[in-house]
Amino acid sequence: AQSVTQPDIHITVSEGASLELRCNYSYGATPYLFWYVQSPGQGLQLLLKYFSGDTLVQGIKGFEAEFKRSQSSFNLRKPSVHWSDAAEYFCAVGEDNQAGTALIFGKGTTLSVSS
Amino acid sequence: DSGVTQTPKHLITATGQRVTLRCSPRSGDLSVYWYQQSLDQGLQFLIQYYNGEERAKGNILERFSAQQFPDLHSELNLSSLELGDSALYFCASSPLRTSGRYEQYFGPGTRLTVT
Repeated sequence: AQSVTQPDIHITVSEGASLELRCNYSYGATPYLFWYVQSPGQGLQLLLKYFSGDTLVQGIKGFEAEFKRSQSSFNLRKPSVHWSDAAEYFCAVGEDNQAGTALIFGKGTTLSVSS
Repeated sequence: DSGVTQTPKHLITATGQRVTLRCSPRSGDLSVYWYQQSLDQGLQFLIQYYNGEERAKGNILERFSAQQFPDLHSELNLSSLELGDSALYFCASSPLRTSGRYEQYFGPGTRLTVT
């Protein structure tokens, strides 16, 4: 069965410092991978996605992620964190059933930004 | 704004009751997904509809059911409610693309509180 592991429940980063959020997945075939962000009281917003091709994908808000098949990882990075990045981040893997992609989410990582 | 709308925003009801949550997908999107977000279970996929037909099922209880109407809006029905059903329920939609690779756009969610 597919699964997603986000090892870090909570991370605190200083404003302006770099960020890396870890994500490991378990999936038999080529995965569809996503990172979503959820601000308090809000829905989920797609940051970036990987389907195939270039293993380094760029997303919105200055985020990027790298797909590493050998490590079954899809870590999210940002070179310089802003206070507004404080939120909960979810990694997800999708299974294509020819009509869409039902997502399996990790438990999430809460990011706090200190000044 | 993702273009996905959900009503109501908040719902408070008593144990044993039945409620209906409504979702309108983005214009033109054929697939609708329902997810439940709770503190103990995290974000879980419940069910997917594609153009009016059930397409995939996740961890959906037998007390829960859903349908998608000809105008593509969807309803999630929760019956015999228990305290543990208190959660945030998200709807998401995705377009049809021949490549078979889809991304989902999430609504703001309906917060259900069962007392």
